Amino acid sequence: KQEVTQIPAALSVPEGENLVLNCSFTDSAIYNLQWFRQDPGKGLTSLLLIQSSQREQTSGRLNASLDKSSGRSTLYIAASQPGDSATYLCAVTGSSNTGKLIFGQGTTLQVKP
Amino acid sequence: NAGVTQTPKFQVLKTGQSMTLQCAQDMNHEYMSWYRQDPGMGLRLIHYSVGAGITDQGEVPNGYNVSRSTTEDFPLRLLSAAPSQTSVYFCASSATGAYIYGYTFGSGTRLTVV
Repeated sequence: KQEVTQIPAALSVPEGENLVLNCSFTDSAIYNLQWFRQDPGKGLTSLLLIQSSQREQTSGRLNASLDKSSGRSTLYIAASQPGDSATYLCAVTGSSNTGKLIFGQGTTLQVKP
Repeated sequence: NAGVTQTPKFQVLKTGQSMTLQCAQDMNHEYMSWYRQDPGMGLRLIHYSVGAGITDQGEVPNGYNVSRSTTEDFPLRLLSAAPSQTSVYFCASSATGAYIYGYTFGSGTRLTVV
């Protein structure tokens, strides 16, 4: 059974810091991995999608990497801003791609001005 | 582009009542799914569908029913609401090329069962 773990559960940093959020999964036979952002009381916004054949994806200040063999992904946020404060979730799709996402518990990030 | 639309946004039910949470997408996506989000439990899959007329159970299907008569709609029915079903419910959709496009989520329905 696929399990997804995110460490740390919470993180507080001063504005301007570069930071890394971690996601690990137990079954390396994934279809893709997606990083989401969730603001309090809101829905999920997709940030980055990494296909199983890819190593990384970049969007603005965000960079996500994927190492299938070790079952790990990282989300790198450069020059953090208070507006980056949110919960970040990673989710994997199994190799059969049946529309099933398995989520981690998320990392709640606070960026202090 | 409306994307994935969920209604209602908020709902309070009494124990034993039934209701339907609506989910509609206008992107012609084949895959649709329902998740519930609970504190400390994360998001868990309730039911999913890979196309009209095809549904299957996820991790936590008990107490919920689904059907998919059209590509656009994927309603979630609570047969007899229980306090344990108090949660935030999210609907998601993706194209069959999900490995390229990923999943789009609705804004959620916050359900309280008293």
